[in-house]
Amino acid sequence: DAGVTQSPTHLIKTRGQQVTLRCSPKSGHDTVSWYQQALGQGPQFIFQYYEEEERQRGNFPDRFSGHQFPNYSSELNVNALLLGDSALYLCASSLRDSALKNYGYTFGSGTRLTVV
Amino acid sequence: AQRVTQPEKLLSVFKGAPVELKCNYSYSGSPELFWYVQYSRQRLQLLLRHISRESIKGFTADLNKGETSFHLKKPFAQEEDSAMYYCALSLPYNTDKLIFGTGTRLQVFP
Repeated sequence: DAGVTQSPTHLIKTRGQQVTLRCSPKSGHDTVSWYQQALGQGPQFIFQYYEEEERQRGNFPDRFSGHQFPNYSSELNVNALLLGDSALYLCASSLRDSALKNYGYTFGSGTRLTVV
Repeated sequence: AQRVTQPEKLLSVFKGAPVELKCNYSYSGSPELFWYVQYSRQRLQLLLRHISRESIKGFTADLNKGETSFHLKKPFAQEEDSAMYYCALSLPYNTDKLIFGTGTRLQVFP
C-alpha cells in the first residue's frame, strides 16, 4: 500500500498563474483533506472533501478550490497565485467518521509550491 | 478562536536525558488532542492521541484541562527521537479538521 500519493513533488509557478495539485488517498479511505504548511509554521486546514463535495473549509480565499473524483482522489486548485501561496501543500486521507477518533489522518509527503 | 501553542521552536538534549515538549491550547471545552511527528525526509505521522492513553516509542502525554496543556514527555531521549513534533487538536463538534501548533524541533545529541 503506497499510502497517500501526491503529485507533483515540487513545482515553480509565476505570480498570477494557476496551479493544480493532485492527491490519491490511501486504499480504503474515502475522505481527503488539504493543508497548507508555510515555512516555519504548522499545517493549516484548507478544506475537506467527502462524497465529491466540499464538506468544510478553513480560512482560505475562494482562489483555493478543489475537487474529489468518484475514485476518491482529489485536486487542489489555486488561481491568481500570490507570492504568499508559496508553501508545502499536504494531502491527508481518512475514513469518514472514524478518522480522528480512531486512527488519525494519513498524510502524504506534500507538494512544495514556489511562486516567483 | 481555538489555538495551539508550542512555545519552543527548538529543544536540544543529550541522549538519555528527559524530554518534555510543551503544548498549550485555547479551548474551553473538551478537545481531542494529538501529537504528530515528522522524521527527516519522512511524512507527517500520528505519534499518539490522548483518548487512547497509549505510550508510543516511550512517549506519553497527559491532558491537563485545568492548565489546558498536553505536554509530550519521554524519560530517556534517544538519538532516533530527533524530529519535528507538532501538537494538534480537533473540536468535539468538528472532528473534520486538525488545528496544529507551529511545531518544536527536537535534537538529541549523542
